Amino acid sequence: GENVEQHPSTLSVQEGDSAVIKCTYSDSASNYFPWYKQELGKRPQLIIDIRSNVGEKKDQRIAVTLNKTAKHFSLHITETQPEDSAVYFCAASIGSNYQLIWGAGTKLIIKP
Amino acid sequence: DADVTQTPRNRITKTGKRIMLECSQTKGHDRMYWYRQDPGLGLQLIYYSFDVKDINKGEISDGYSVSRQAQAKFSLSLESAIPNQTALYFCATSDSGPGELFFGEGSRLTVL
Repeated sequence: GENVEQHPSTLSVQEGDSAVIKCTYSDSASNYFPWYKQELGKRPQLIIDIRSNVGEKKDQRIAVTLNKTAKHFSLHITETQPEDSAVYFCAASIGSNYQLIWGAGTKLIIKP
Repeated sequence: DADVTQTPRNRITKTGKRIMLECSQTKGHDRMYWYRQDPGLGLQLIYYSFDVKDINKGEISDGYSVSRQAQAKFSLSLESAIPNQTALYFCATSDSGPGELFFGEGSRLTVL
């Protein structure tokens, strides 16, 4: 079946440094790629998404890049802050109903 | 604020018992979803519904059933709970796809 692989599973960075999380998807027809942030004990919340007709999208300190040929997309967080500590999930759409297949998550730890 | 509300938030039950998790939303969205979250596995789709008369199976529907009682209400049932259904369950809603999912606060289910 279709799947999304997400790496790394845990990422520890110094406050102020950048963090990069990568996802690879298997369905070449996927055309919608969201990223969700889940703080400890909270619900997942959308932080940024990208559609297949765009190669990169930025929102302040967060950016997502998409390489459709290689079937991978990445989340970039610059100038990391303590409040960036959370689990981040990527997902890719499949099928005409845009059902999402999710990565397993990356726990991002920001060291003071 | 418009929101997605899940009840109960926590439930402990025994093997073989019937359990219902309820979800209601005030966002006015037509699309509703039930997801299961296990540590290290991300989110897996159980069932989804695009309107009151539309119910679709997700990746892991075996052992679960759903009912869409109204546009605003979508319930998940476990007819005979088993221990490997112990997990965190999320209800979510969305407007027309693809787009942002709005999650409820989650229902933690423990089956002994």
